[in-house]
Amino acid sequence: QVQMQESGPGLVKPSETLSLNCSVSGVSISFYDWSWLRQSPGKGLEWIGYIYSSGSTNYNPSFKSRVTISLDTSKNQFSLRVNSVTAADTAVYFCASFTSGAHYGMDVWGQGTTVTVSS
Amino acid sequence: SYELTQPPSMSMSPGQTARITCSGDALPKQYAYWYQQRPGQAPVLVIYKDKERPSGIPDRFSGSTSGTTVTLTISGVQAEDEADYFCQSADSSGIITVFGGGTKLTVL
Repeated sequence: QVQMQESGPGLVKPSETLSLNCSVSGVSISFYDWSWLRQSPGKGLEWIGYIYSSGSTNYNPSFKSRVTISLDTSKNQFSLRVNSVTAADTAVYFCASFTSGAHYGMDVWGQGTTVTVSS
Repeated sequence: SYELTQPPSMSMSPGQTARITCSGDALPKQYAYWYQQRPGQAPVLVIYKDKERPSGIPDRFSGSTSGTTVTLTISGVQAEDEADYFCQSADSSGIITVFGGGTKLTVL
């Protein structure tokens, strides 16, 4: 049974870098594709990007190259970095995975972690 | 940029049938997915590939598609179905993932 847990600072200063990890248990991260998403207060879901089992990535263009997603197979986790954050980056950040395959939807999610951008 | 359009809210009485729509120009070419999100919780996948139901999802949840609109149907709505529902798909290139704005289902 795949389980996922986000972790990282809950408070980030404007213009700094937001860094989050998603720890995965129950399967090797080398096997599936992984995703980061976020949800601003009272708003809908926003896709940030994917990292595929091959290590290649696909990012939402709206983030204008501020985003990096990477795998750490030694720790069985994957990470998100968002540079030059502003108050608009305040959100609940979720990691999710496609454990049944790419066209089967994001079927496992972490519980989410709240990040506030404020000085 | 590509958008998926959902009604913002819907109110139903228990036992009624709720039909939540999601419209987008690329939906005839791209699969749609539906997620249920209860307050304070992570989303849960309830429909994948337009109309398939993951294991563990009650059979009162179903999906359908017609042209540029996909529909999530909840037959015999129950109080526990009160939640936000989001559709998800991709743009015509299949590269960019997009979510609808969400529909808040209230069960009165």
